Amino acid sequence: DTGVSQNPRHKITKRGQNVTFRCDPISEHNRLYWYRQTLGQGPEFLTYFQNEAQLEKSRLLSDRFSAERPKGSFSTLEIQRTEQGDSAMYLCASSPRGAGSSYNSPLHFGNGTRLTVT
Amino acid sequence: AQKITQTQPGMFVQEKEAVTLDCTYDTSDPSYGLFWYKQPSSGEMIFLIYQGSYDQQNATEGRYSLNFQKARKSANLVISASQLGDSAMYFCAMRGSGGTASKLTFGTGTRLQVTL
Repeated sequence: DTGVSQNPRHKITKRGQNVTFRCDPISEHNRLYWYRQTLGQGPEFLTYFQNEAQLEKSRLLSDRFSAERPKGSFSTLEIQRTEQGDSAMYLCASSPRGAGSSYNSPLHFGNGTRLTVT
Repeated sequence: AQKITQTQPGMFVQEKEAVTLDCTYDTSDPSYGLFWYKQPSSGEMIFLIYQGSYDQQNATEGRYSLNFQKARKSANLVISASQLGDSAMYFCAMRGSGGTASKLTFGTGTRLQVTL
């Protein structure tokens, strides 16, 4: 178990280009989350998967954003036609499905992908 | 909706002293969990401590303890014997038991600087 892995660590792209980030969760965790964090702010929820099902999407996730988790293992987050406002740290997290409620389980975060749109 | 408020943008503490980072929350869920995370300048979010809404005792993890006052809806983090390596951003977060049980909601964070 090496923790949550995110690639790449850094991405610089020009406005209008598409970018894709990958997240590999902790292997036994069936829940996977994407968050966005801008400078000086706390992480903001984007979307959440349980296995391969995308169960919740934030209103922050515009139609230029799409996330997939095709086999219930790794996930990808794609941003199409990037804008300068997309510059942020994109964090992935995972958590196990416990026997009881989920509210007592912490999320385990990766190191994030820092996106800079020029 | 859930809301986390951290009113201290920045705090300073001398090495070896204790410091309290404030967190208040608002939720209509009957059960919920409160979490604190540390984010060093390298960017990773490190889970520190958890407090359940029905836990009778305040949570402790090594030098970290959580001062949980349910009636006041506060969950302050206390770091004892501060070390230089404690300098980082600290985020308070919560998960509810209702429709929002799936995600963590974060506050805006407090930047802690430990000085010699």
